[in-house]
Amino acid sequence: DSGVTQTPKHLITATGQRVTLRCSPRSGDLSVYWYQQSLDQGLQFLIQYYNGEERAKGNILERFSAQQFPDLHSELNLSSLELGDSALYFCASSVVGGAQFFGPGTRLTVL
Amino acid sequence: AQSVTQLGSHVSVSEGALVLLRCNYSSSVPPYLFWYVQYPNQGLQLLLKYTTGATLVKGINGFEAEFKKSETSFHLTKPSAHMSDAAEYFCAVSVGGNQFYFGTGTSLTVIP
Repeated sequence: DSGVTQTPKHLITATGQRVTLRCSPRSGDLSVYWYQQSLDQGLQFLIQYYNGEERAKGNILERFSAQQFPDLHSELNLSSLELGDSALYFCASSVVGGAQFFGPGTRLTVL
Repeated sequence: AQSVTQLGSHVSVSEGALVLLRCNYSSSVPPYLFWYVQYPNQGLQLLLKYTTGATLVKGINGFEAEFKKSETSFHLTKPSAHMSDAAEYFCAVSVGGNQFYFGTGTSLTVIP
């Protein structure tokens, strides 16, 4: 158990819909990262937050957005969903200079 | 710019044989280096990390890696493979502990 929690574990929705994925980092970790993992694209870095502020952006689509709240939990919002958005979405957290610890992931299926 | 290259997307070894998974990195400043393992339908789990100090790093499950600055490498090894080692392995580099760059992963198969 890494100490990072993600909800929900599974999500099935339809094209065009909007979903929100939630992540709670390890106690004391100020950085939160979001990743998308699919068979054809591998592990893709989406975005990083540090203590509520966006720190780095990766291959995140404009239809996707994220935020980190004062209690340090983070949410990833995916809108206008397409079939190709079906993937595993991971959250990770870390202290500055430390290793990332990954949550168990949310499996998103878009039908 | 930083990047990570994992040579060999698939590696097969016999049970009991040496495991060698290759990772080369590119970094303009001293990097932090990591190896992660991912079992099916699970998140990535930290195997080991190098930040500073001793260049030979020991991790969990009998794995170790050596930081070779001259070769810009951080290869992962284990003397004797077990069936339970079959998984996907990711090398990652971080600069200043902020943004992480992951390799494309190596799938390890252990043949009984």
